[in-house]
Amino acid sequence: EAQVTQNPRYLITVTGKKLTVTCSQNMNHEYMSWYRQDPGLGLRQIYYSMNVEVTDKGDVPEGYKVSRKEKRNFPLILESPSPNQTSLYFCASTTDRGRGGYTFGSGTRLTVV
Amino acid sequence: QQQVKQSPQSLIVQKGGISIINCAYENTAFDYFPWYQQFPGKGPALLIAIRPDVSEKKEGRFTISFNKSAKQFSLHIMDSQPGDSATYFCAASMIKAAGNKLTFGGGTRVLVKP
Repeated sequence: EAQVTQNPRYLITVTGKKLTVTCSQNMNHEYMSWYRQDPGLGLRQIYYSMNVEVTDKGDVPEGYKVSRKEKRNFPLILESPSPNQTSLYFCASTTDRGRGGYTFGSGTRLTVV
Repeated sequence: QQQVKQSPQSLIVQKGGISIINCAYENTAFDYFPWYQQFPGKGPALLIAIRPDVSEKKEGRFTISFNKSAKQFSLHIMDSQPGDSATYFCAASMIKAAGNKLTFGGGTRVLVKP
């Protein structure tokens, strides 16, 4: 089944404790993105990758890091999480440049206390 | 400042009725306008999309209307069913822009009452 897999689904952590959210896709997609979803704000892009070793900032990159060492994986790293990073996070991938046909993962709900 | 503004934030419609969600955008460089549907506990899924050279697109009970001069587009859900209860997001993108970024509206929570 074609899918984007994120782990974990739920995470509660304390301020300052480094964490990684993993993302993997099995569709051989070039483009991958991370979004955060907050009430009333929709989804906002954090980082994106156009291919292996090619990443760049989205609209809200502060406090996040990413890497793309393999085509299928695109982990999101929070080096020192803060409470304002409490949110619902989605990884997404597509091979269809610019046409919005992203496949999204099921989401990771992160709470930073 | 949101580049894509969506309204209403929520709506309740009776089974068989019409749900209408409106979006307005500011950036005239946007050239692709998808709609996503999200059920609780799931990621958004592409529902239907339109290019600005088309004024209307219909897929089953879902129709997008597009007004380029007004920089507005809307989703109509005809004969709404309880299974349509979900959050709907409009979005916009630029096909030639780097990053393949989708700019989303704030979302509309639709509840269809039986």
